[in-house]
Amino acid sequence: KAGVTQTPRYLIKTRGQQVTLSCSPISGHRSVSWYQQTPGQGLQFLFEYFSETQRNKGNFPGRFSGRQFSNSRSEMNVSTLELGDSALYLCASSPIEGQSYNEQFFGPGTRLTVL
Amino acid sequence: AQSVSQHNHHVILSEAASLELGCNYSYGGTVNLFWYVQYPGQHLQLLLKYFSGDPLVKGIKGFEAEFIKSKFSFNLRKPSVQWSDTAEYFCAVNSNSGYSTLTFGKGTMLLVSP
Repeated sequence: KAGVTQTPRYLIKTRGQQVTLSCSPISGHRSVSWYQQTPGQGLQFLFEYFSETQRNKGNFPGRFSGRQFSNSRSEMNVSTLELGDSALYLCASSPIEGQSYNEQFFGPGTRLTVL
Repeated sequence: AQSVSQHNHHVILSEAASLELGCNYSYGGTVNLFWYVQYPGQHLQLLLKYFSGDPLVKGIKGFEAEFIKSKFSFNLRKPSVQWSDTAEYFCAVNSNSGYSTLTFGKGTMLLVSP
């Protein structure tokens, strides 16, 4: 099976712009989660989507949003970018059922740089 | 809220040395526990996981971890490290609430010198 894919891999934006990141989960995985990774804060949970519904959300401002489509692909959007949003954004998918139901499989990430 | 604490931010070892990375979590209920590894330039990969049963779990590449419930700990061990083990290691907890959400520790950067 192909792994989790994320596009684009690298992105450079300026303050005030908005950005959309995309994630395709492993085939058959219905849950998609997003994490932000920075050197100072480490890995922090943004949100989780299951069956096109956000079912869990981390402690991030409303500028961070996401959605999931019927094929389980997910996008996250960050509006009004700030310098502090520079980070590696990781997507993870989970099968939700079976023995690995709580295991998350990570993609390579999108490196966002805000200038 | 859950939290995960990893004791060491940086560890430097020589090849063949033994490794133990500490991880403690705070959560009063049932948890699932994970160790992930991030090799330079690569994505996060699962090393091993504990859901239930035998508290000593074995993972890939000779790694193992022991869940000690009374100490809220899930330490990672390897008897003899190799240069190729140089990577960042993350301990993570899931509260087994039905969500897949992981709470991560800050990570431990392991450097193995040949």
